[in-house]
Amino acid sequence: DIQMTQSPSSLSAYVGDRVIITCRASQSISNYLNWYQQKPGKAPKLLIYVASNSQSGVPSRFSGGGSGTDFTLTISSLQPEDFATYYCQQSYSIPWTFGQGTKVEIE
Amino acid sequence: EVQLVESGGGLVQPGGSLRLSCAASGFTFSSYEMNWVRQAPGKGLEWVSYISSSGSTIHYADSVKGRFTISRDNAKNSLYLRMNSLRAEDTAVYYCARDPSTFTTIFDSWGQGSLVTVSS
Repeated sequence: DIQMTQSPSSLSAYVGDRVIITCRASQSISNYLNWYQQKPGKAPKLLIYVASNSQSGVPSRFSGGGSGTDFTLTISSLQPEDFATYYCQQSYSIPWTFGQGTKVEIE
Repeated sequence: EVQLVESGGGLVQPGGSLRLSCAASGFTFSSYEMNWVRQAPGKGLEWVSYISSSGSTIHYADSVKGRFTISRDNAKNSLYLRMNSLRAEDTAVYYCARDPSTFTTIFDSWGQGSLVTVSS
């Protein structure tokens, strides 16, 4: 199975900060990497698919990059509604696996 | 508007069975691959099972293989997960998730989740 490791596991930031979350795969997954946002008590929401494609309706401050084993999710200017947990997910091979999550909290 | 509504969760004893349902609306259900993803309390996301649009191809996570069965009824716009021999570690919120892609797997729409609690 492909293991996905996110860093950091949690972070504190101010509104307006630029935030970068990293996801590393245990083997190359090309660009088959998706990002989700989850708020407490809610279902996850797709943000980015195939590494760098923004899902319809997602604010432009969210962007994704990377390929192979190393990927990033960048929030260019953190907004109050962005405080949540973020997950990466590889779709290169079954079983599809998620990172452990990165919790973004208010500083 | 795409809607996925899960039902059928609840409290069940270890070794027991439960069937989850996911009612789909707002899109052509028979054209989409579907999945179940679960989340144990306070934990991360775990993919559970996949079914192709026709139902001809099915995959399971090793943790549920041989105990869970995924199925769908395209005429009823519904997805199912039959769960047998339930264990405490199966306790989780179970989400159904739509996959719009034919060349990769993307979970673009999710239900609100159904809580399954396995406890004596």
